[in-house]
Amino acid sequence: GENVEQHPSTLSVQEGDSAVIKCTYSDSASNYFPWYKQELGKGPQLIIDIRSNVGEKKDQRIAVTLNKTAKHFSLHITETQPEDSAVYFCAATSNSGYSTLTFGKGTMLLVSP
Amino acid sequence: ETGVTQTPRHLVMGMTNKKSLKCEQHLGHNAMYWYKQSAKKPLELMFVYNFKEQTENNSVPSRFSPECPNSSHLFLHLHTLQPEDSALYLCASSQDGTSGSYNEQFFGPGTRLTVL
Repeated sequence: GENVEQHPSTLSVQEGDSAVIKCTYSDSASNYFPWYKQELGKGPQLIIDIRSNVGEKKDQRIAVTLNKTAKHFSLHITETQPEDSAVYFCAATSNSGYSTLTFGKGTMLLVSP
Repeated sequence: ETGVTQTPRHLVMGMTNKKSLKCEQHLGHNAMYWYKQSAKKPLELMFVYNFKEQTENNSVPSRFSPECPNSSHLFLHLHTLQPEDSALYLCASSQDGTSGSYNEQFFGPGTRLTVL
């Protein structure tokens, strides 16, 4: 089955800096890669996703890149703000069978004012 | 109510107790999921229901028993749990979970379970 590795487990940045979180996956059949943000006391919420037919996707301060050959994908947050502080999860899935997600262990992002 | 709701938000139970977690989605979705979230571990998928039928049981011990009476409600019945079952239990829903497509999963806030 699929295995997703996520690094780092904790990331501390100053407000205004950029933050990068990286994930690798094992199943070459995986073709959909969502990123979730989980704030304290809440469930994960989808913030951006990418499909295997594109290499990069941007949404304001957030971007995701995908390297299918190397089987890794990354989340980039620019101009970080304190409200970006949360736990971020990457995930991967393929369209074979039912659409179950395999998650990484999560990265706790701390943005200091 | 909108989105995915879960009750109770917190639950403390002894190993001999029987309790149930409830999830309700107000999004008109047809697939519902139970996940277990433990510290420093990836989210673990437990069960998947599509159109009220269980389509995945991810080797979950029988002390966890799911029930899906309709597409909007999902229960997780708990009995004779162990302390290592203490975790955040998350419910999610999606448009459907059928092959050939991927639909965004919407998560509830979770139930924080502590087993004494």
